[in-house]
Amino acid sequence: QKEVEQNSGPLSVPEGAIASLNCTYSDRGSQSFFWYRQYSGKSPELIMSIYSNGDKEDGRFTAQLNKASQYVSLLIRDSQPSDSATYLCAVRSPRDSNYQLIWGAGTKLIIKP
Amino acid sequence: DAGITQSPRHKVTETGTPVTLRCHQTENHRYMYWYRQDPGHGLRLIHYSYGVKDTDKGEVSDGYSVSRSKTEDFLLTLESATSSQTSVYFCANGQNSNQPQHFGDGTRLSIL
Repeated sequence: QKEVEQNSGPLSVPEGAIASLNCTYSDRGSQSFFWYRQYSGKSPELIMSIYSNGDKEDGRFTAQLNKASQYVSLLIRDSQPSDSATYLCAVRSPRDSNYQLIWGAGTKLIIKP
Repeated sequence: DAGITQSPRHKVTETGTPVTLRCHQTENHRYMYWYRQDPGHGLRLIHYSYGVKDTDKGEVSDGYSVSRSKTEDFLLTLESATSSQTSVYFCANGQNSNQPQHFGDGTRLSIL
């Protein structure tokens, strides 16, 4: 079982709709959760970080964390073609002394005009 | 702006040759990381550093070494490159272990 799992996609969403991206993790002690966006041929770019249960909103983006169910999600409202990218979920796990990030393989999102 | 510069951006080399990739940060961040990214595997940590001359292995460290003699520079060396090390390499930094990581633009390395 992978420690951080994401559906690889592609997830196709019409322009203007809500895109919902999900990530599950296996370590119940995980403390910090991050969403990155990566355009093809580019480096990962931080979108959201979330540390406590509930929702965190930033513009069109909302991160949702449910530690009891061990999942974190990213909602993108009013999806735009420029949102088409691969979205990476990263979880900070206490499995080692330096609390390294565990990465999901990413979900490819396609926004169709 | 993460202020990370990676060099070179692209490199093609032959099997068995040594290769060094450089990561330079303009901030004074304590943590620096080297990742490789391959299709189907996502980002995998090679080595990281938590201070000058303080480094540790990641999940795919075999065949790689690192050095950090100054806060701003983190070098990744492939002592004898193999074709399996063809990949895109990303450097990242972070203020501390609990803060998000920010990435450089990457180095595309091809080993023939």
